[in-house]
Amino acid sequence: KNQVEQSPQSLIILEGKNCTLQCNYTVSPFSNLRWYKQDTGRGPVSLTIMTFSENTKSNGRYTATLDADTKQSSLHITASQLSDSASYICVVSFNQAGTALIFGKGTTLSVSS
Amino acid sequence: NAGVTQTPKFQVLKTGQSMTLQCAQDMNHEYMSWYRQDPGMGLRLIHYSVGAGITDQGEVPNGYNVSRSTTEDFPLRLLSAAPSQTSVYFCASSYSKGGLGTQYFGPGTRLTVL
Repeated sequence: KNQVEQSPQSLIILEGKNCTLQCNYTVSPFSNLRWYKQDTGRGPVSLTIMTFSENTKSNGRYTATLDADTKQSSLHITASQLSDSASYICVVSFNQAGTALIFGKGTTLSVSS
Repeated sequence: NAGVTQTPKFQVLKTGQSMTLQCAQDMNHEYMSWYRQDPGMGLRLIHYSVGAGITDQGEVPNGYNVSRSTTEDFPLRLLSAAPSQTSVYFCASSYSKGGLGTQYFGPGTRLTVL
C-alpha cells in the first residue's frame, strides 16, 4: 500500500534553533517528492521538489534531502524564525503525470521566542 | 497575478442541499485539481483536469462532480451534501501535469454540512 509517514507529529523549538523533519514513504513507482509549508488557515505552499536522481535541494533556510534507496527524506530548517510556525507536508508522486500524489499528514512546527 | 482563487471562503449547508465551489486561476495552467483536507489526515485528491474538456477521478470522487469548460475555471459541485463532506476544500493548479511543475494552492473553502 502506498503510504507517506511523517515524524514527529509535532515539534516545539526556540527561535534561532535548527530542526529536522522526517518523511518515510512506501510509494512505488516513485516519480518525485515534494515538501510543502501550510500556514494555519491557508493553502499549502511548495518548498522543494526532488526527483529520484536528486539528493539535496535548498530553498533559502529550508534544505530537503532524499535517499531513494531507503525511501527517506528530511527537511532541515536552519535558524528558525517565528514565521516558520506551520505544518510541513511531505508528498510523494508515483506517476510521471503527477496525477497520483500521496500526502503525508504533516508535522506541526511551533517556533517560540 | 491573483494566482488561484476560491469562493466562498466559508459555507454552511444542510444535508441534501447542493452547491458549487468555485476555483479560478490566471496563470494559464493546464493542470487543475481539487483536494479535501480532514483533521488528522493528509490531503486527498477528489477530481483533476489535465486541460479544458478533460477531467478524471481522484481518490475520493463520490458525491462530487467537476467540469472544465475553460482553462481558467474548475468548479466543484456537491450534488447532495452529506455531513461526511464537512471538510476544507483546496483547489490547485500547475503548469505541467503535476510531474515536476510547482503546484499552487488556493486559500481553501471551509464547508460544514449540518
